[in-house]
Amino acid sequence: GAVVSQHPSRVICKSGTSVKIECRSLDFQATTMFWYRQFPKQSLMLMATSNEGSKATYEQGVEKDKFLINHASLTLSTLTVTSAHPEDSSFYICSAKRSVFRPQHFGDGTRLSIL
Amino acid sequence: KQEVTQIPAALSVPEGENLVLNCSFTDSAIYNLQWFRQDPGKGLTSLLLIQSSQREQTSGRLNASLDKSSGRSTLYIAASQPGDSATYLCAVPLSNFGNEKLTFGTGTRLTIIP
Repeated sequence: GAVVSQHPSRVICKSGTSVKIECRSLDFQATTMFWYRQFPKQSLMLMATSNEGSKATYEQGVEKDKFLINHASLTLSTLTVTSAHPEDSSFYICSAKRSVFRPQHFGDGTRLSIL
Repeated sequence: KQEVTQIPAALSVPEGENLVLNCSFTDSAIYNLQWFRQDPGKGLTSLLLIQSSQREQTSGRLNASLDKSSGRSTLYIAASQPGDSATYLCAVPLSNFGNEKLTFGTGTRLTIIP
């Protein structure tokens, strides 16, 4: 149990394009979802925390207008990278958890490449 | 601010050997500590979670220990296999609200040589 699906797994697009990444909890309801970013050979850095039905909380230094997060239901959160540029190229990973004191379950990540 | 460090950054060992991965954290007031495995280009797989009241957890060939007072955790892998090759990450929550806002270590890239 506790499967998190992330889609797409890889996307390549031109500079200036907006890209949407989906994160779904397949067999549980996720009260909280997290979005991370990982640069090559580096660790995961938390970008934002998303709670169903409320605005996402962004970490310091993360532009909320650049990375739009929508947690519309208890099983789906989306991250939209608006007007993406080459410096936005990275590996984006989401995680989801049922409730407080429960562990996070991670998706398989999305490799974003902006040309 | 919590900082999590893992040493070594990379490790190569022959198949069959036992090995230890290290994780250190600066703020000992943690709720728990979790070890993850990440295969290239993939997400994270949780291996072991140790609550702050525990000193160790075991799962198969894996054993994780936790010493809060010294700010250290170790992941012991017994009888290593080529399939164990991956990057191993430790993580601690930033608050005591239960697994919120994980701070990840820098990772150890493990290669098991057949």
